[in-house]
Amino acid sequence: EAQVTQNPRYLITVTGKKLTVTCSQNMNHEYMSWYRQDPGLGLRQIYYSMNVEVTDKGDVPEGYKVSRKEKRNFPLILESPSPNQTSLYFCASSTWTGASSYNSPLHFGNGTRLTVT
Amino acid sequence: LAKTTQPISMDSYEGQEVNITCSHNNIATNDYITWYQQFPSQGPRFIIQGYKTKVTNEVASLFIPADRKSSTLSLPRVSLSDTAVYYCLVASTGGFKTIFGAGTRLFVKA
Repeated sequence: EAQVTQNPRYLITVTGKKLTVTCSQNMNHEYMSWYRQDPGLGLRQIYYSMNVEVTDKGDVPEGYKVSRKEKRNFPLILESPSPNQTSLYFCASSTWTGASSYNSPLHFGNGTRLTVT
Repeated sequence: LAKTTQPISMDSYEGQEVNITCSHNNIATNDYITWYQQFPSQGPRFIIQGYKTKVTNEVASLFIPADRKSSTLSLPRVSLSDTAVYYCLVASTGGFKTIFGAGTRLFVKA
C-alpha cells in the first residue's frame, strides 16, 4: 500500500532533550516536506526536500533540522526542543519535481503529536 | 508567494451544495490551486486541483475566475461524512514552497 509513515504518533518530552521524528514513504517520491499544524494557523511548512541531499527552509524553520540521505526517508530533528514547538506535525511527499505541479498532490502521513514540557 | 484566506467555519445540512471560497490575491502566473480535506487525527488528503476556469471530478468541482485571485470549492449534496476541515493550497511551479490557508471547518448537520 502506498503510504507515508511517521513515527512516533505521540511523543512527550522535556525542554532541551534532542528528538527525531521519522518519516518514510514507499512511493519513490522526489519531494518531501514537513509541516506543523497549530489551532487557527493551519499548516505551516517547516522544511522541504526536492531530492536526496537537497533541502531548503519553509516558512517556520527555526529550531528544526532535517536530512535527506535516502530518497524514502526525511527525518525531522529537534536539537533542543522548547514548549513553543508543541504541535501536530505532518510529513508529506509528492512526485512534484518543480517542473509542473499538475497532478502532483501531496500525500500526508497521519501525524505526530509532540508535547514539550 | 501567494497568501490564502478562507472562512474559518461553515455550517450546512445534508443534501445541500456547499461552496467554500479561498482568496489568493497575490497568486503568481505559474501557481496551481489545490484543495485538501482533513478529518480529525488524519493527515490532509487531496480533493481537486486546477489552474483556471472549472475542474470537476467525482467528488467536487473547482471554479477559478479569469483573474485567478480566488477559487471556489463546490461540494454537491454533502453528507454527514463530509464534516471536515478543507484547506486551499497555492503551489508554484517555479518554487518549491507550499502555502496553506488556515482552513475552513465545515460542519454538516442532519
